[in-house]
Amino acid sequence: DGGITQSPKYLFRKEGQNVTLSCEQNLNHDAMYWYRQDPGQGLRLIYYSQIVNDFQKGDIAEGYSVSREKKESFPLTVTSAQKNPTAFYLCASRPRGGGTDTQYFGPGTRLTVL
Amino acid sequence: GESVGLHLPTLSVQEGDNSIINCAYSNSASDYFIWYKQESGKGPQFIIDIRSNMDKRQGQRVTVLLNKTVKHLSLQIAATQPGDSAVYFCAENMDSGTYKYIFGTGTRLKVLA
Repeated sequence: DGGITQSPKYLFRKEGQNVTLSCEQNLNHDAMYWYRQDPGQGLRLIYYSQIVNDFQKGDIAEGYSVSREKKESFPLTVTSAQKNPTAFYLCASRPRGGGTDTQYFGPGTRLTVL
Repeated sequence: GESVGLHLPTLSVQEGDNSIINCAYSNSASDYFIWYKQESGKGPQFIIDIRSNMDKRQGQRVTVLLNKTVKHLSLQIAATQPGDSAVYFCAENMDSGTYKYIFGTGTRLKVLA
């Protein structure tokens, strides 16, 4: 069953703690993305990666970090420096080149800071 | 429960009627557009896409119209069903070289039985 998986589905964090959200894809896509979704707002880009071992900051990268050691994995760490981390986090991927620009999303992780 | 979608514009449609959801995009240089459907608590699901060299594209029960003159995109859903109830939003790809997208805030579609 191909697709994008995110875990966990729900995550609770105490203030001052770092947490890591998992994103895995078996679609053989080169590019992967992390977005944050808040009520009443469009998706905002946190980080994206076009190839392994390379990634770029998005529009709201402060307080977040990522790694891209494997093509199929793009974990996101929400650090204690992120002032308002409670949100729905979405991972996405797309092929690089090949004439398609379609981006596909995972099921999301809801992070709540207690 | 899922709080995404609060404070969004809402379109209420009778079951069986056609739905039209609109989106104003931001960049006249955008060359690729996608419509997504997002159900409560789930990730966005691809519905249909269109490139800027087209003004209309049809899928199964859905049609996307692109008006580049006024930077407007619409999604038409024929014979709306209860399962179509969700938040719909558009995305524009500004630069395929950077793989970056801009997303609209979305419209909530409610299908009335």
